[in-house]
Amino acid sequence: QVQLVESGGGVVQPGGSLRLSCAASGLTFGSYGMHWVRQAPGKGLEWVATIWYDGSNKHYADSVKGRFTISRDNYKDTLHLQMNSLRPEDTAVYYCAKAKDAIIIVASLDYWGQGTPVTVSS
Amino acid sequence: EIVMTQSPATLSVSPGERAILSCRASQSVGGNLAWYQQKGGQAPRLLMYGASTRATGIPSRFTGSGSGTEFTLTISSLQSEDFAVYYCQQYSWPPKFTFGPGTKVDLK
Repeated sequence: QVQLVESGGGVVQPGGSLRLSCAASGLTFGSYGMHWVRQAPGKGLEWVATIWYDGSNKHYADSVKGRFTISRDNYKDTLHLQMNSLRPEDTAVYYCAKAKDAIIIVASLDYWGQGTPVTVSS
Repeated sequence: EIVMTQSPATLSVSPGERAILSCRASQSVGGNLAWYQQKGGQAPRLLMYGASTRATGIPSRFTGSGSGTEFTLTISSLQSEDFAVYYCQQYSWPPKFTFGPGTKVDLK
């Protein structure tokens, strides 16, 4: 079955960087758009970034544009999120999620990882 | 950017009762609307996509309806495992997949 496993979270100082990874299995990874969604402590879900199935297009929330970069390696079935210039308000659990439909980017998210926590604090 | 709102923020329901959750989009999203359920400490789970199609394994007591800007999720007879937070999400073009703030369904 489909499994998504995030890693790379941790504690980082404001202004620092962190790289999250999401290892996928049980699916033809290169056929699906992938997403990062975050959830600040006690808050709701916030979409962060999306990458097309082939990596050709990327989309970002305004709150992270210019600071975060989404990427993927379809040979290693892995999704990444490079986070630079981190701010305290970036503190959250970060989930990777898979688009439900192959190729189509405007689709719901049918599989989610368990999340990796990121804390930005001095 | 499309803004999603949900009401009520909290819904107190007794087991066996019906729960009706509302979601509104600031502009039309057509039928590109999903509902997710999230229980404490867990990842969200897809309940409904295309506004009214149940995801795999979702029981028939969950019903989605609506199109354009107004959407509803109905739980016909609430079970103990349904107490959770429910989020709507639009996934129309351009890809800015905004979520609503959530509705918490708790025990009356």
